[in-house]
Amino acid sequence: DSGVTQTPKHLITATGQRVTLRCSPRSGDLSVYWYQQSLDQGLQFLIHYYNGEERAKGNILERFSAQQFPDLHSELNLSSLELGDSALYFCASRVEDGYTFGSGTRLTVV
Amino acid sequence: GQNIDQPTEMTATEGAIVQINCTYQTSGFNGLFWYQQHAGEAPTFLSYNVLDGLEEKGRFSSFLSRSKGYSYLLLKELQMKDSASYLCAPLGYTDKLIFGTGTRLQVFP
Repeated sequence: DSGVTQTPKHLITATGQRVTLRCSPRSGDLSVYWYQQSLDQGLQFLIHYYNGEERAKGNILERFSAQQFPDLHSELNLSSLELGDSALYFCASRVEDGYTFGSGTRLTVV
Repeated sequence: GQNIDQPTEMTATEGAIVQINCTYQTSGFNGLFWYQQHAGEAPTFLSYNVLDGLEEKGRFSSFLSRSKGYSYLLLKELQMKDSASYLCAPLGYTDKLIFGTGTRLQVFP
């Protein structure tokens, strides 16, 4: 158990809809990183938050947004969903010797 | 630059040794991670090299040359459970981890 919690584990939704993915970092960790992994693709960096502030942004679509709340949990909002948004979405926390990942949310857009 | 190159697939036999290479553009990176990822699961940490040279950890070793933008992961005494994807990830100065597309390793009996 990495200590990074992601919910839900699975999500099936229709095109055009909006979903929210949630991540709780390990207790005391201030950072949250979001990654997208499409089928047979590498992990694509989306966005990084540290203690509530956006620190870095990667290839994140305008339809996607994120925030980190005072209790340090983070939410990734995906709107106007398209079939190509189907992927595994991981969040990660920065730890002493690396990064630890949550178990991911598998999003399927039908 | 963020070009990270790894072989797409490799195969090896149980008990053998395999070396997975990774090259990357050197600018903007400080250290390099290797992660293992089984299909559909989260990546798990294998190694982190911040200085040049070889880091050994059990059956796994990782090497880094920062000036050459080159790293490799060496897996010894391969086991069937080592069949997975291996992800090379240079650490950017902005503290974000950039992943290569990964090398899918298949270990055969």
